[in-house]
Amino acid sequence: DSGVTQTPKHLITATGQRVTLRCSPRSGDLSVYWYQQSLDQGLQFLIQYYNGEERAKGNILERFSAQQFPDLHSELNLSSLELGDSALYFCASSFPSGATTGELFFGEGSRLTVL
Amino acid sequence: QQPVQSPQAVILREGEDAVINCSSSKALYSVHWYRQKHGEAPVFLMILLKGGEQKGHEKISASFNEKKQQSSLYLTASQLSYSGTYFCGTEKSVAGAGSYQLTFGKGTKLSVIP
Repeated sequence: DSGVTQTPKHLITATGQRVTLRCSPRSGDLSVYWYQQSLDQGLQFLIQYYNGEERAKGNILERFSAQQFPDLHSELNLSSLELGDSALYFCASSFPSGATTGELFFGEGSRLTVL
Repeated sequence: QQPVQSPQAVILREGEDAVINCSSSKALYSVHWYRQKHGEAPVFLMILLKGGEQKGHEKISASFNEKKQQSSLYLTASQLSYSGTYFCGTEKSVAGAGSYQLTFGKGTKLSVIP
């Protein structure tokens, strides 16, 4: 158990819909990361938050947005869903050390299926 | 900016050794290695920092050549439990306080057979 909790574990929805994925980081971790994993693309970095503020952005579509709340939990919102958005979405947290992320602790992921 | 891993896949018999390579076109601050078993989340193996500091795993080692922007993961005397997909992750120089971006390669699938 990494200490990172993601909900829901599985989600099936239709094209055009909107979903919210939730992540609770490990106690004490200030940084939250979102990754998308599809079969042929490995782990794609989406976005990073540090203590409530967005700090780094990767290949995140405009239809996707995220935020980190004062209690440090984070939500990833995916809207106008397309078939290609079907993937496993991981949240990870860390307590960064100096200039490096440090060890990332991954949640079990939320598997999104868009039909 | 995604690091390139090689090989894409490798099959080993128990007890054999393997090397997984990771290279980047950009100057690196650190290289991270993770292993993901089928149906599970990635799990941290080690970090190699610019300057030579290494934090890692007992039976798996790695090197980081800063000049060549390359890292290699060494798995010796492989065990069945080593099976999984290995990802290297690279960080660029710090962009600003609290800003961290770990970019992963596409992974190397390692299968260890009896």
